[in-house]
Amino acid sequence: DTGVSQDPRHKITKRGQNVTFRCDPISEHNRLYWYRQTLGQGPEFLTYFQNEAQLEKSRLLSDRFSAERPKGSFSTLEIQRTEQGDSAMYLCASSVLGGSNEKLFFGSGTQLSVL
Amino acid sequence: AQKVTQAQTEISVVEKEDVTLDCVYETRDTTYYLFWYKQPPSGELVFLIRRNSFDEQNEISGRYSWNFQKSTSSFNFTITASQVVDSAVYFCALSPIIQGAQKLVFGQGTRLTINP
Repeated sequence: DTGVSQDPRHKITKRGQNVTFRCDPISEHNRLYWYRQTLGQGPEFLTYFQNEAQLEKSRLLSDRFSAERPKGSFSTLEIQRTEQGDSAMYLCASSVLGGSNEKLFFGSGTQLSVL
Repeated sequence: AQKVTQAQTEISVVEKEDVTLDCVYETRDTTYYLFWYKQPPSGELVFLIRRNSFDEQNEISGRYSWNFQKSTSSFNFTITASQVVDSAVYFCALSPIIQGAQKLVFGQGTRLTINP
């Protein structure tokens, strides 16, 4: 499978716990994005990386959220002290920088449920 | 601020009917991209089309066609002779052209159900 891979597919946690999600982009894709999608809504941009550099963070990303892409390949998204409002689908996408045909390839997401 | 509105929350049609999904957007940018994505039950967003704001030509791809009208800030999507496999949630999205980064602003989506 050469698509964007996300792990785990589902995560159930209790309020106050920390969770970490992983995203493996398509090989050679130098841009990586995180989006969040709540039930019945479209995805919302959270942050993106170009190689290992985190170039932009949405104001939706509170201090409890941190994302990394240490070697410019896979990325992790950590949520500390989870709240019920964090329950959502977390989507990762990757792309190749440049070119008129640049487009995002999305993974199937990690569904987070905070009890 | 940028905004995308998909007024149709749910549409249900019988197979082989034509169906149009509406999309209206707001932006102050003079150049931008518009997109349509399909989200089947598996959850993965599937890219359908990207248009540049300076290219208002309509596009047809098989049973799919897109009508971009800058004057009305609309980017509508039509499926001709719909099939059950077209059932999914469809999202319209907008992105500024900033160093190519695709910070997509999505609409709320339209859930399309094609009944046999």
